[in-house]
Amino acid sequence: NAGVTQTPKFRVLKTGQSMTLLCAQDMNHEYMYWYRQDPGMGLRLIHYSVGEGTTAKGEVPDGYNVSRLKKQNFLLGLESAAPSQTSVYFCASSNHPGLHPTGELFFGEGSRLTVL
Amino acid sequence: SQKIEQNSEALNIQEGKTATLTCNYTNYSPAYLQWYRQDPGRGPVFLLLIRENEKEKRKERLKVTFDTTLKQSLFHITASQPADSATYLCALYNAGNNRKLIWGLGTSLAVNP
Repeated sequence: NAGVTQTPKFRVLKTGQSMTLLCAQDMNHEYMYWYRQDPGMGLRLIHYSVGEGTTAKGEVPDGYNVSRLKKQNFLLGLESAAPSQTSVYFCASSNHPGLHPTGELFFGEGSRLTVL
Repeated sequence: SQKIEQNSEALNIQEGKTATLTCNYTNYSPAYLQWYRQDPGRGPVFLLLIRENEKEKRKERLKVTFDTTLKQSLFHITASQPADSATYLCALYNAGNNRKLIWGLGTSLAVNP
């Protein structure tokens, strides 16, 4: 079982460039999330989706956009990358309702992004 | 201020001993608390969830306690093994006015053979 798959796993960008991170899940989960993980800070929610065609802002949404055109995919876009967006990005999914999951989150392996 | 804290220092224990990790919080109204394991370069993996009205949860060698009076959750790994070496994250779901899942920074556990 693949679970949650993120691509790419590594990427280096120059300031001002744009890119898209792709998250795919094969568990038929309704709820999908994008987090970033930085040293000295806990996981922080960027954006989330409660179903196909829906998206909502999390704690740190500025500089990011998302789309959920298909239930299994959740895309995270950086329109104009900044060094402050250097981070490890994790996608997660859940089959539990609510603004935040009441059950377990299934995480991908992460995408390490460096912005120079 | 609101905060969630885990042991910042790495925990080193001998194989076979019980590892105990702490998650303390202040100024939150937790509905539940989760524990995850994270290996280097990997995503977190869910281990256990304990609700505010539960005192203890067990799963194989793992045990979680939740004391809302002390505002603390303890995570125990009994008969620890080198394969248990990882970072353990706690995540608290705040059921107050500011509903959200708040993550601790994690505690690194090393089990020595």
